[in-house]
Amino acid sequence: DTGVSQDPRHKITKRGQNVTFRCDPISEHNRLYWYRQTLGQGPEFLTYFQNEAQLEKSRLLSDRFSAERPKGSFSTLEIQRTEQGDSAMYLCASSLGSGGGQPQHFGDGTRLSIL
Amino acid sequence: AQKVTQAQTEISVVEKEDVTLDCVYETRDTTYYLFWYKQPPSGELVFLIRRNSFDEQNEISGRYSWNFQKSTSSFNFTITASQVVDSAVYFCALSSHGGATNKLIFGTGTLLAVQP
Repeated sequence: DTGVSQDPRHKITKRGQNVTFRCDPISEHNRLYWYRQTLGQGPEFLTYFQNEAQLEKSRLLSDRFSAERPKGSFSTLEIQRTEQGDSAMYLCASSLGSGGGQPQHFGDGTRLSIL
Repeated sequence: AQKVTQAQTEISVVEKEDVTLDCVYETRDTTYYLFWYKQPPSGELVFLIRRNSFDEQNEISGRYSWNFQKSTSSFNFTITASQVVDSAVYFCALSSHGGATNKLIFGTGTLLAVQP
């Protein structure tokens, strides 16, 4: 049983560049979440997909951020014109779609550093 | 508004000591779910347990036990006979049944250091 996979593990880029992260959820999970975690804090919700539909976006997700899940399988999170404040760990999670309170299973995350 | 508070920022214990991690939550929902996750130094969040708001039975799994009390809005986590491998950041989280997303609201975490 493969878990949630995220790529890359680390990304270092200059301010103003665009970056894209990929998440491959557990295969039978139709719910997919993106979170952001900064040092010393708990993860904060960014956005949620059920299959290919993006059903909720946090206010944290400015217009420089966009996420897709084109075929209801893998998802990408793109950040345009990166800023220093975007430096964080970006976590992807997936869960089964039946009922509430299904445990979310997390990937190892992508650590983004903005120079 | 929903909120999770983990007042203990860091706890240090010596191996074999028992330790309790506190979690207090706020929600206006009548149906909700509470979770504990472990984040070891490697970074991956590992799911430990889920409780729903209608089930206040305490749960024990090996050296781990959880005490859920709706009267005090608390969901505390106890590790018995701690081991060095228990060293990690532990997060308590809340999700609402009424919301469409079941997104998790996390506390700020408690860093547990178990010294040999």
